[in-house]
Amino acid sequence: DGGITQSPKYLFRKEGQNVTLSCEQNLNHDAMYWYRQDPGQGLRLIYYSQIVNDFQKGDIAEGYSVSREKKESFPLTVTSAQKNPTAFYLCASSRLGSQETQYFGPGTRLLVL
Amino acid sequence: QKEVEQDPGPLSVPEGAIVSLNCTYSNSAFQYFMWYRQYSRKGPELLMYTYSSGNKEDGRFTAQVDKSSKYISLFIRDSQPSDSATYLCAMSEGGGTSYGKLTFGQGTILTVHP
Repeated sequence: DGGITQSPKYLFRKEGQNVTLSCEQNLNHDAMYWYRQDPGQGLRLIYYSQIVNDFQKGDIAEGYSVSREKKESFPLTVTSAQKNPTAFYLCASSRLGSQETQYFGPGTRLLVL
Repeated sequence: QKEVEQDPGPLSVPEGAIVSLNCTYSNSAFQYFMWYRQYSRKGPELLMYTYSSGNKEDGRFTAQVDKSSKYISLFIRDSQPSDSATYLCAMSEGGGTSYGKLTFGQGTILTVHP
């Protein structure tokens, strides 16, 4: 089955700790995205990548980092600099040329201990 | 003022009702308009996609875009309990550095009761 997988489903972070969220897709999409969803605020773009080894900051990139070493994978690291990391994190992908139609993974819920 | 405004609801309707969901926006450069459906604790799924102004119909769903009023709508006919979800509008300018950058509304929580 083609699709986007995110792991883990739930993640707990201690103060001062960096954590990495996984996102993998087998849709052969070139573009991948990370969003954060907070109650009552919709989705906000953290980072996006249109091609391997290249990525751009979104609206709320501070405290986050990404890498794009493989077309299929786009991991997100939530660093200790992100002071309010509790949220639902969503990964998405799309074809180049159809980047308005994005397909989402099931999400990772990050909680701070 | 947010670029995209969406009434968060919640909206509760009886089964079989016609549902109207709406978003307004301020950025006149938006050209692509999407509606996503999100079930609880799941990722959003694309429902409707429209370019520029006009109507688009897909089964029980109709999307309308009025660029002159900066207003988009999603109508659900003969609503079903399985339609209970959060509905998110999203918009994009398309092209250039904005390519693929979606701006989302806050989402409207819909409950259809039997």
